[in-house]
Amino acid sequence: NAGVTQTPKFRVLKTGQSMTLLCAQDMNHEYMYWYRQDPGMGLRLIHYSVGEGTTAKGEVPDGYNVSRLKKQNFLLGLESAAPSQTSVYFCASSTTGITPYEQYFGPGTRLTVT
Amino acid sequence: GEDVEQSLFLSVREGDSSVINCTYTDSSSTYLYWYKQEPGAGLQLLTYIFSNMDMKQDQRLTVLLNKKDKHLSLRIADTQTGDSAIYFCAVSLSGGSYIPTFGRGTSLIVHP
Repeated sequence: NAGVTQTPKFRVLKTGQSMTLLCAQDMNHEYMYWYRQDPGMGLRLIHYSVGEGTTAKGEVPDGYNVSRLKKQNFLLGLESAAPSQTSVYFCASSTTGITPYEQYFGPGTRLTVT
Repeated sequence: GEDVEQSLFLSVREGDSSVINCTYTDSSSTYLYWYKQEPGAGLQLLTYIFSNMDMKQDQRLTVLLNKKDKHLSLRIADTQTGDSAIYFCAVSLSGGSYIPTFGRGTSLIVHP
């Protein structure tokens, strides 16, 4: 049981390049989330999904797109990277219907945009 | 929307108690969590409390909830250097998507 995994762990992009971050979970969770973490800003929700084939915007969705084609995977895309998107990105998943709705986090992807 | 506030830093000596504080704005917050983030890692749930409780104790951890003041605290007894980490307070509402709102995190530094 690997929990939540993220690929890649590190990436450096030039401004304007695109990339996709992959998140996978093997816990059969319905909910999945993408967060970004910046110094002094805590965690900010980018997009989330409440089930296969569904996505919704979070607090800071601009410049990102997501897809949830399979229940176990949640992809985060950057179409045209900007230096402001330099951050650490965390994926998380959680169950529904069973309290306390604990979120399980991946190890993070450190992205630098130059 | 919900707003969750935490102080950014706390420094304590090894063996002392640490108290990390959190305030929130939405009085209908039902689930309140403390997550721990060790260096270079993702967040991990440390403990949680439901809004119908005032206190929860789990080994060295004590969570206190003051609903009237919308104040949550995490006390770590006999703090060890291994407790050095960032601690996030998070709150969520009942109903809806249960998506929690996180505070900015408190960096706990434990000096030997």
